[in-house]
Amino acid sequence: ILNVEQSPQSLHVQEGDSTNFTCSFPSSNFYALHWYRWETAKSPEALFVMTLNGDEKKKGRISATLNTKEGYSYLYIKGSQPEDSATYLCASLQGGKLIFGQGTELSVKP
Amino acid sequence: GAVVSQHPSWVICKSGTSVKIECRSLDFQATTMFWYRQFPKQSLMLMATSNEGSKATYEQGVEKDKFLINHASLTLSTLTVTSAHPEDSSFYICSATRTARNQPQHFGDGTRLSIL
Repeated sequence: ILNVEQSPQSLHVQEGDSTNFTCSFPSSNFYALHWYRWETAKSPEALFVMTLNGDEKKKGRISATLNTKEGYSYLYIKGSQPEDSATYLCASLQGGKLIFGQGTELSVKP
Repeated sequence: GAVVSQHPSWVICKSGTSVKIECRSLDFQATTMFWYRQFPKQSLMLMATSNEGSKATYEQGVEKDKFLINHASLTLSTLTVTSAHPEDSSFYICSATRTARNQPQHFGDGTRLSIL
């Protein structure tokens, strides 16, 4: 089982700023890449499941891209709002199991 | 969307007690359920994979006699922490999924376990 790395660990932005963060994962034997949003006192919520190289998915102001050859995915948030404050987790599906990164903690100040 | 219920959400008990945590998928049949543990400032670590009607598959380093998993139906999995000790204090969270490459996992709210 190979590591999944996320950067930065934490991010503080002003309301209205656009932001992005990175997930690096093993590119060999790629199967799927998941993104989740985890708000305090709630359960992690699935954002995207990405399977194809070059995939780009969008959900409202949030979008994600996938590069399976080089092993990275970017998550973008356009015009951040305070309600976007959460920890964003990515996870690589390896051998039927999700291997999670440590997450990027996003704080959006009004 | 898919809903997974986990309870209790918070448990405080004495050392030596056994604690059972339930994970239910409320609106879909989960072929597989997963149990994770999270230490402070660390990522979710998979403890075991639970398939309905078969024995759970434990990750390396997880004691199967300490963490008993039962997956009696397609909607219920339980994790029992047997004879819990302070070092078992942690955040435990379950997830459920349908088996398919593009299916996400649906998580419960988690259980904060504190052993005194």
